[in-house]
Amino acid sequence: GAVVSQHPSWVICKSGTSVKIECRSLDFQATTMFWYRQFPKQSLMLMATSNEGSKATYEQGVEKDKFLINHASLTLSTLTVTSAHPEDSSFYICSASYGYTGELFFGEGSRLTVL
Amino acid sequence: AQSVSQHNHHVILSEAASLELGCNYSYGGTVNLFWYVQYPGQHLQLLLKYFSGDPLVKGIKGFEAEFIKSKFSFNLRKPSVQWSDTAEYFCAVNTINTDKLIFGTGTRLQVFP
Repeated sequence: GAVVSQHPSWVICKSGTSVKIECRSLDFQATTMFWYRQFPKQSLMLMATSNEGSKATYEQGVEKDKFLINHASLTLSTLTVTSAHPEDSSFYICSASYGYTGELFFGEGSRLTVL
Repeated sequence: AQSVSQHNHHVILSEAASLELGCNYSYGGTVNLFWYVQYPGQHLQLLLKYFSGDPLVKGIKGFEAEFIKSKFSFNLRKPSVQWSDTAEYFCAVNTINTDKLIFGTGTRLQVFP
């Protein structure tokens, strides 16, 4: 099956620093990638949709300048949490699809802790 | 806007018990429906999906779900659960021609031997 990998799987940073999370589709070209945020014991909240070579589309309430998304190639999307604060601590999950299949493939997730 | 509701937040069962997890969505148009499972410490995996056709769909590990359009429901069932089914279960929906998935709040299932 299609494999999506995220890196790092966990990261701890100081408040005010920026953190980059990578999402890679290992065995397929992902035309679209999605970034989700999952709070403890809660569901996945869609943050943004990114298509290769174009600007990401953010969901309502998600700060574009705080969460920078880049989809530079068909196999790589990055999420940069800028000037991170403790309230940004969360589990970030990416997913990818190739063409419209109706099915998404999920990465392992990246746990961010901001001190 | 679309939304997905899962009314069972936490379910505790003994092995061999039957399982039914509720899922309702709100959207007036045509939808695709999914159930994902997240085992402890692992990433989300697809259990089953419904696009069209037979409203009773069978997935992996003995799970099945039934789409009832009139009730906007897509409940997940398993006749006899196992300890290894302990996980978080998420119902999700997207509309045709988009891969953007909207998730329900999830149901935590604990199965005791």
